[in-house]
Amino acid sequence: GENVEQHPSTLSVQEGDSAVIKCTYSDSASNYFPWYKQELGKRPQLIIDIRSNVGEKKDQRIAVTLNKTAKHFSLHITETQPEDSAVYFCAASIAAAGNKLTFGGGTRVLVKP
Amino acid sequence: EAGVTQFPSHSVIEKGQTVTLRCDPISGHDNLYWYRRVMGKEIKFLLHFVKESKQDESGMPNNRFLAERTGGTYSTLKVQPAELEDSGVYFCARGAIGTASQLNTEAFFGQGTRLTVV
Repeated sequence: GENVEQHPSTLSVQEGDSAVIKCTYSDSASNYFPWYKQELGKRPQLIIDIRSNVGEKKDQRIAVTLNKTAKHFSLHITETQPEDSAVYFCAASIAAAGNKLTFGGGTRVLVKP
Repeated sequence: EAGVTQFPSHSVIEKGQTVTLRCDPISGHDNLYWYRRVMGKEIKFLLHFVKESKQDESGMPNNRFLAERTGGTYSTLKVQPAELEDSGVYFCARGAIGTASQLNTEAFFGQGTRLTVV
């Protein structure tokens, strides 16, 4: 089955700096890659996603890139703010497999003021 | 909001007892998923309903777990008897509005039920 690896497990950045989280996946059939942000005690919230027919997607301070050949995708957060502090999860899914999500282990991001 | 309500939000039970978790998605969602996050690890898939049918239950840990989705509306996940390793946060998620054929789309998560087995 699909396996998703996520690095780093923790990331501490100074406010205003950029944060990058990287994920790799194993199944070349995966075609949907969402990123979720989970604040303490809250639901995982979709922040951005990318499909396999696109190499890059941007939404304000957040961007995701996908390299299908290398089977890796990354989340980039620019101009980080304290409210960006949370646990971020990458995931991969295959539409033909019911779109069940296989998650990475999560990255705890701390933005220091 | 995500349009998924889960309850209870917290449950503390003793080993050997039974617990039933409930998930209520807003109407019109054929696809419903259960996931679990144990002890700060990754979120893991448990099962997938399409309407009232179990499409994929490959993630269910063992036969102590039973999920149902009566009439294709709300869903329950029962753990009987509960063991210590069942502790974790159980999430329910719905697909985007639409039919079972509309896959490869966003999943919206509920707040989760934190289950503690002591």
